[in-house]
Amino acid sequence: GNSVTQMEGPVTLSEEAFLTINCTYTATGYPSLFWYVQYPGEGLQLLLKATKADDKGSNKGFEATYRKETTSFHLEKGSVQVSDSAVYFCALSPQTGANNLFFGTGTRLTVIP
Amino acid sequence: GAGVSQSPRYKVTKRGQDVALRCDPISGHVSLYWYRQALGQGPEFLTYFNYEAQQDKSGLPNDRFSAERPEGSISTLTIQRTEQRDSAMYRCASSMGRNTEAFFGQGTRLTVV
Repeated sequence: GNSVTQMEGPVTLSEEAFLTINCTYTATGYPSLFWYVQYPGEGLQLLLKATKADDKGSNKGFEATYRKETTSFHLEKGSVQVSDSAVYFCALSPQTGANNLFFGTGTRLTVIP
Repeated sequence: GAGVSQSPRYKVTKRGQDVALRCDPISGHVSLYWYRQALGQGPEFLTYFNYEAQQDKSGLPNDRFSAERPEGSISTLTIQRTEQRDSAMYRCASSMGRNTEAFFGQGTRLTVV
């Protein structure tokens, strides 16, 4: 079946610290992989995506590389800001089927000045 | 519209009552998805429409849950005889089609008392 396992939070970092949020997946075939972000009081927003192995998705200083050999899609940012405080969700969309998303449980990140 | 609009934003209902949650997708978006998100969890897929056709309802938890999209635009998720365990955030998303970005609404928070 399809599933996503995400690093549990919460994660608290000081401003300008390095961020890693781990994500591994189980899927048949070649799924597409996503990171969504939910800022306080807002809906889910797509942060970045990768659709095939070795692709790197990037946006707003965040990066994640689709690693098929380790079935991983870890989220990284070199220097976090207070404005990055949010809940981050890793997700996959199966290669076939309805194109619906399978989400991890989310990781709450708090960045303190 | 400019984004996916869900109404109401908040709904408190008594156990045993029926509720209807509305989703107005982005204009022109072919695909529409419903998800349910329990507190502290990631969204879980409920059902999916392509135009007006309900393509996949495998995520609906039981027959008290139903959804429709009669004209291929606005969709309604109906929960009959609500129970406390139905309390959650219900999220709608729309996309232009397969393998395209899904845009999420802000959700409807349902509380069954």
